[in-house]
This record gives sequence, structure tokens and C-alpha cells, in this order.
Amino acid sequence: DAKTTQPNSMESNEEEPVHLPCNHSTISGTDYIHWYRQLPSQGPEYVIHGLTSNVNNRMASLAIAEDRKSSTLILHRATLRDAAVYYCILSEIQGAQKLVFGQGTRLTINP
Amino acid sequence: KAGVTQTPRYLIKTRGQQVTLSCSPISGHRSVSWYQQTPGQGLQFLFEYFSETQRNKGNFPGRFSGRQFSNSRSEMNVSTLELGDSALYLCASSLVVGASYEQYFGPGTRLTVT
Repeated sequence: DAKTTQPNSMESNEEEPVHLPCNHSTISGTDYIHWYRQLPSQGPEYVIHGLTSNVNNRMASLAIAEDRKSSTLILHRATLRDAAVYYCILSEIQGAQKLVFGQGTRLTINP
Repeated sequence: KAGVTQTPRYLIKTRGQQVTLSCSPISGHRSVSWYQQTPGQGLQFLFEYFSETQRNKGNFPGRFSGRQFSNSRSEMNVSTLELGDSALYLCASSLVVGASYEQYFGPGTRLTVT
């Protein structure tokens, strides 16, 4: 599986946008980019996924670089509830049930 | 719609014993995956079941096994427990239809081996 690189931690303020980066220079043409997050004392939660084009849903936006070697998860207005560990994961869509989680980015939101 | 449920939520076992954990997926979901989470190794994939068949397997010893029933409910079993098996065991279900591949995780079962 192709590897992703994320910062260990990031900090932001409530009601401000947050941009969480992910580098994946060895991504293959069939790899999807998945984002999950894990709030304290909970199981991971699906956030968003995409292949080539930018994606938006009610939780976040995913911006994918043109060469697909990096992507950014965007939380438009962070709330305290967004404090979590965010995981950027690559997999073929058929492998989306056997995710390989890295260490993720621990996001702290300041009130 | 009810989420993924896991039972029991907490379990304490002694080294050498065996344990069975249960997972009920979201209604209509046919894929169930299991993961182990520890502070040292993070989240690691154990196996995935789809329509009662193991479809994918992670890199865990044969002491870890699972099965899926016709109603998509799944169980995982760990035999001859070791101290290192202490972990949070998470199960996740997926619809796996069309473009719906996202996984929905349960709250996990916290296993402590003493």
C-alpha cells in the first residue's frame, strides 16, 4: 500500500478554517484518498474520500493536487467537536474495507 | 438507523484464555471488518468478511479468527490470549454498493489481558 505522510499535530482556533495536509508521493492511479477521524474515546468516523477531483460534503472539503501527490482536508469553520486524530489513507476502492491507518494528525481546537 | 454495535464493551481475561467478541453491523451492510488499536501499533487491520466469507486478512497470527453469519453479524475469536493482545478491538461495516465504500465503526471492545 502506498504510504502517506501527515504532520503529527496541528492547532487551530474555533470558528476558523483548518487545512490538514497529506503527502502521498507514491500514490498509484487507482488509489483513492480517504479521510477518517477519531474523536476521543470513539471509533473512527468517515469524513470524505476522492480520486482526482475536489470533493465537498457536509463535514469537509477535500482538495487534491493536480499531480495527486498531495491532498488537503479542509474544515471550513472548526468547532471544539472537531478536535480529533485525522487519518489520511490511500486504498483502491476495492480495498476500502481493509484500511491501513498511519499515525494521523492530532488536531487541537482552541476556544 | 442504528449504528454498529459491539458487545461486550469491556472485557478482562487472563493470559491463556480465549475470548469471543461480537459485532452487529448497520442493517443492510454486508461487509464487516475488524481492527485492533493499541497505543504502540495504532490501528491495524485484522480481517474482513463479506457474505459470510473472509475476503481480506491482515498480518496477525492464526490465534485471531473470525466468522460472519447469514444476517451479517460477525464474531472474532482470540485463542491463547497473550498480554500483548490487550487492545481496543473495533469493527466496521460497509454497504459496498455503487460508490458507497465508506466504513462505519462501532465504539469498540476494550480487552484487557492480565
